[in-house]
Amino acid sequence: AQTVTQSQPEMSVQEAETVTLSCTYDTSESDYYLFWYKQPPSRQMILVIRQEAYKQQNATENRFSVNFQKAAKSFSLKISDSQLGDAAMYFCAYRETQGGSEKLVFGKGTKLTVNP
Amino acid sequence: KAGVTQTPRYLIKTRGQQVTLSCSPISGHRSVSWYQQTPGQGLQFLFEYFSETQRNKGNFPGRFSGRQFSNSRSEMNVSTLELGDSALYLCASSLGRVGNTEAFFGQGTRLTVV
Repeated sequence: AQTVTQSQPEMSVQEAETVTLSCTYDTSESDYYLFWYKQPPSRQMILVIRQEAYKQQNATENRFSVNFQKAAKSFSLKISDSQLGDAAMYFCAYRETQGGSEKLVFGKGTKLTVNP
Repeated sequence: KAGVTQTPRYLIKTRGQQVTLSCSPISGHRSVSWYQQTPGQGLQFLFEYFSETQRNKGNFPGRFSGRQFSNSRSEMNVSTLELGDSALYLCASSLGRVGNTEAFFGQGTRLTVV
């Protein structure tokens, strides 16, 4: 079974600085999707960024970028120019491409605090 | 475009009772997935429905069940509630088509079992 591990339960960053959240996963599949979701105190999960495993280029969405290392099964999230609104729980998630299922496998999350 | 709507937002139930949670997906979305979120276990997949059929199921006891209606709205039922069922229940909707990857989440239903 696929597993996702986030080794940093909590992280903090100063406003305007850069922070990197770590994620590793385990799968025997060659094609899959990886995601980072943000969950603020309002509880609603919001998609931050996604990566398709067959694409070698790292995904970027404004201040958010990933470092996808397929061989190492690593998928870290870099937040640049951190803002107070970035404070939230961040979840790394995996989804396989076969079988047509929308099932997401989540890591345990990293709580990000942004200090003014 | 309306987002994913979950009702109710909060519920308090007694051990042994049953509960039904509702999820209305984004218009046009045919896939609805349910997740249980607890501090200890994190986010765990319950099941997914697509076009009224259960397409995938997580590792939960038979007390947890669900269904999907022809308008794609989904309900989740938990019978014989236990204290450990206290959790945030999230649903997510998506188009459910191959290659389309984005799932949109509702704000969840906070269930407390006393």
